[in-house]
Amino acid sequence: GAGVSQSPSNKVTEKGKDVELRCDPISGHTALYWYRQSLGQGLEFLIYFQGNSAPDKSGLPSDRFSAERTGGSVSTLTIQRTQQEDSAVYLCASSLAPGGGNIQYFGAGTRLSVL
Amino acid sequence: GDSVTQMEGPVTLSEEAFLTINCTYTATGYPSLFWYVQYPGEGLQLLLKATKADDKGSNKGFEATYRKETTSFHLEKGSVQVSDSAVYFCALHRQGGSEKLVFGKGTKLTVNP
Repeated sequence: GAGVSQSPSNKVTEKGKDVELRCDPISGHTALYWYRQSLGQGLEFLIYFQGNSAPDKSGLPSDRFSAERTGGSVSTLTIQRTQQEDSAVYLCASSLAPGGGNIQYFGAGTRLSVL
Repeated sequence: GDSVTQMEGPVTLSEEAFLTINCTYTATGYPSLFWYVQYPGEGLQLLLKATKADDKGSNKGFEATYRKETTSFHLEKGSVQVSDSAVYFCALHRQGGSEKLVFGKGTKLTVNP
């Protein structure tokens, strides 16, 4: 596609439910990132995938959060047993390759509301 | 650890006013520096970047110069427009570290006609 696509754009769920957020990166981009944007916390890194390498999970806030990237393309971020503090906008980005010289292109995000 | 500090908003200006949004960073080595912009209802877009000291990034009338001596990357525009109303994020990428971008908390700019 022309840009990074995320779905759904909005998700409302009840506390304790599991949710899955999807990201379609730009075709040909080998690097994929998930960030979280919440009030008062700004933008926080969650996880990074590069090709077939083991992902960098250093930003995941708890073991309720997990992500996978199938076939080096689409990625799914899963949050189990959601809590109200998980409410935020979840942003996905992709880049042609890793490194500061490579621009990260962001999707419009998924707004998650946990009631 | 690495961090980015930018001036807190919100910032409200009249059209054609001069804009400065301050950004300073803490990082080891020589990070790449970025300004991203988020227009209402849209995702983050790269506005400009600089990858080494004294580099000036520029785009759409915005400029920022990588100042290693003051660890700063202040965003400036000589004459803002209503269409510049958005949230602006300063960010860094440290070579040799994690591939993540480290962001400031964002500065909301509103430009009134």
